[in-house]
Amino acid sequence: AQTVTQSQPEMSVQEAETVTLSCTYDTSESDYYLFWYKQPPSRQMILVIRQEAYKQQNATENRFSVNFQKAAKSFSLKISDSQLGDAAMYFCAYRHMNRDDKIIFGKGTRLHILP
Amino acid sequence: DTAVSQTPKYLVTQMGNDKSIKCEQNLGHDTMYWYKQDSKKFLKIMFSYNNKELIINETVPNRFSPKSPDKAHLNLHINSLELGDSAVYFCASSQDKAGNTIYFGEGSWLTVV
Repeated sequence: AQTVTQSQPEMSVQEAETVTLSCTYDTSESDYYLFWYKQPPSRQMILVIRQEAYKQQNATENRFSVNFQKAAKSFSLKISDSQLGDAAMYFCAYRHMNRDDKIIFGKGTRLHILP
Repeated sequence: DTAVSQTPKYLVTQMGNDKSIKCEQNLGHDTMYWYKQDSKKFLKIMFSYNNKELIINETVPNRFSPKSPDKAHLNLHINSLELGDSAVYFCASSQDKAGNTIYFGEGSWLTVV
């Protein structure tokens, strides 16, 4: 069964600095998606970034980028120029491609932004 | 304009009651989901429907019954509520059952007292 592990329950970063959130996953499949979702205090689940496993190029969305290491089954999120509005729970998630399957979430990392 | 909307956002009810949470998506998606987020923030799938057909049914007590009258709606009915049912319930949708992005509603915070 697929699993997603986020080893950092909480992290803090100074405003304007860069922070990296870790995520590892376990799967025997070769075709899948990986996601980072953000959950601010409002509880809304917001998609931050998505990576297709067949793409070697790391996904980037403005200040958010990932380091996708398929062989190592690692999918870390880098947030550059951290802003107060980045404070939230961040969930790493996995979903098999081309199959009716559920999205599997890690347990989350709470990110604090220090002014 | 909300893509995935669910009601109510907050619900406080007594043990033993029956309650429903409604969900609607205006994205034209074929697939809808219910997720439960417990007090430890752990998110877990409960059900998934594709074009009104149940395709994922995790190990959920029979007291939970989803209903999809059409592909834009997926409601969750809970019978005989228990304290352990207190959680945030998220509705979500994707283009199809293998969709590469799942869009979430704002969540319904259920508290059972």
